[in-house]
Amino acid sequence: DTAVSQTPKYLVTQMGNDKSIKCEQNLGHDTMYWYKQDSKKFLKIMFSYNNKELIINETVPNRFSPKSPDKAHLNLHINSLELGDSAVYFCASSRGGLSEAFFGQGTRLTVV
Amino acid sequence: GESVGLHLPTLSVQEGDNSIINCAYSNSASDYFIWYKQESGKGPQFIIDIRSNMDKRQGQRVTVLLNKTVKHLSLQIAATQPGDSAVYFCAENRMNSGYSTLTFGKGTMLLVSP
Repeated sequence: DTAVSQTPKYLVTQMGNDKSIKCEQNLGHDTMYWYKQDSKKFLKIMFSYNNKELIINETVPNRFSPKSPDKAHLNLHINSLELGDSAVYFCASSRGGLSEAFFGQGTRLTVV
Repeated sequence: GESVGLHLPTLSVQEGDNSIINCAYSNSASDYFIWYKQESGKGPQFIIDIRSNMDKRQGQRVTVLLNKTVKHLSLQIAATQPGDSAVYFCAENRMNSGYSTLTFGKGTMLLVSP
């Protein structure tokens, strides 16, 4: 069973479109995250949720809106996609506190 | 500003060699560190962790060393294998108002030649 699963794995779309990436974890974790990995492999946190509540919102454009319907799911909706949004987006979860995060396989978003 | 890690370097080794990957951090308040391995097309995968009250921790073929004096972290891989080829990240986990944040360094690419 996949611990953290996100869909789709690949997403190619045109500028200006709206798209969503879904994430689910079956680890029973309270904390979920979205990270963005750029072309230089740098991983930057975007959002952190704990028990469906937003904890961390880094400097991310308002076009990005996370939604957590329950603590096992954290979806990412992106409005008005721009070329610079092209990246690999990773969902992750953890028990919280000083513990490791478990990552999904990533969604490669390409905006054309 | 605070930062973890170095510019993305590449370390090339021969199969069977020992590899050492280094990481610098600047926040002395960090209390937990993690090394992750990321293979091509996959998400980061946990390798080993260490708390700030320790200076060494060993796993299977891997050892993490923490030097708080100089804010330096290293990952040692013994008898490196081609399957170890990947990008390795150090990450620091800090508690902030009861919630943890995981900040990644910039990664090191390890290339292992057979």
